[in-house]
Amino acid sequence: DTGVSQNPRHKITKRGQNVTFRCDPISEHNRLYWYRQTLGQGPEFLTYFQNEAQLEKSRLLSDRFSAERPKGSFSTLEIQRTEQGDSAMYLCASSLGLAEQETQYFGPGTRLLVL
Amino acid sequence: GQNIDQPTEMTATEGAIVQINCTYQTSGFNGLFWYQQHAGEAPTFLSYNVLDGLEEKGRFSSFLSRSKGYSYLLLKELQMKDSASYLCAVRGSWGKLQFGAGTQVVVTP
Repeated sequence: DTGVSQNPRHKITKRGQNVTFRCDPISEHNRLYWYRQTLGQGPEFLTYFQNEAQLEKSRLLSDRFSAERPKGSFSTLEIQRTEQGDSAMYLCASSLGLAEQETQYFGPGTRLLVL
Repeated sequence: GQNIDQPTEMTATEGAIVQINCTYQTSGFNGLFWYQQHAGEAPTFLSYNVLDGLEEKGRFSSFLSRSKGYSYLLLKELQMKDSASYLCAVRGSWGKLQFGAGTQVVVTP
């Protein structure tokens, strides 16, 4: 399968713990996006990479959140000192990056539950 | 402010047609997308409009009026598998998508 993959698919953690999620985009895609989705809502933009450069971060991304894309391929999203309000589905999407009008393809998401 | 509005839920019968409306007020506009999302799964791309008019793709069509800040997704010949949430999303700067809350479509036999 050559779609976007994310790991783990599910994560249960205790409040205060750190968690890290991984996203592997479609191989030739230069742009990578992270979104967060809570029940009954649409995805909300968190951050965006063009190759290895992080070009925009949402105000939703507090200083407990950090994202990297070290070699312009896979990306990681880390949440430090998790809070119950961090419980959500974390979605990764990728696109080719050759033009503004491009379709983003989503991975299956990582569902986080903070107890 | 920035707003994307779509109805919360719609119910229709198998074989029927359903139209999901989306109105938007955003600071930037580089196209409007419709995604389908089944419960617990990732959004999957359905359609894209950047110019005014109708785009047809099999049983699904999408319409855009930029001057009115309005789009709709038309689902024809509804099937049970079409029961899902349908997300309207506007592309802004850097390609990031701003989503509506989604419209849950329930298809009944």
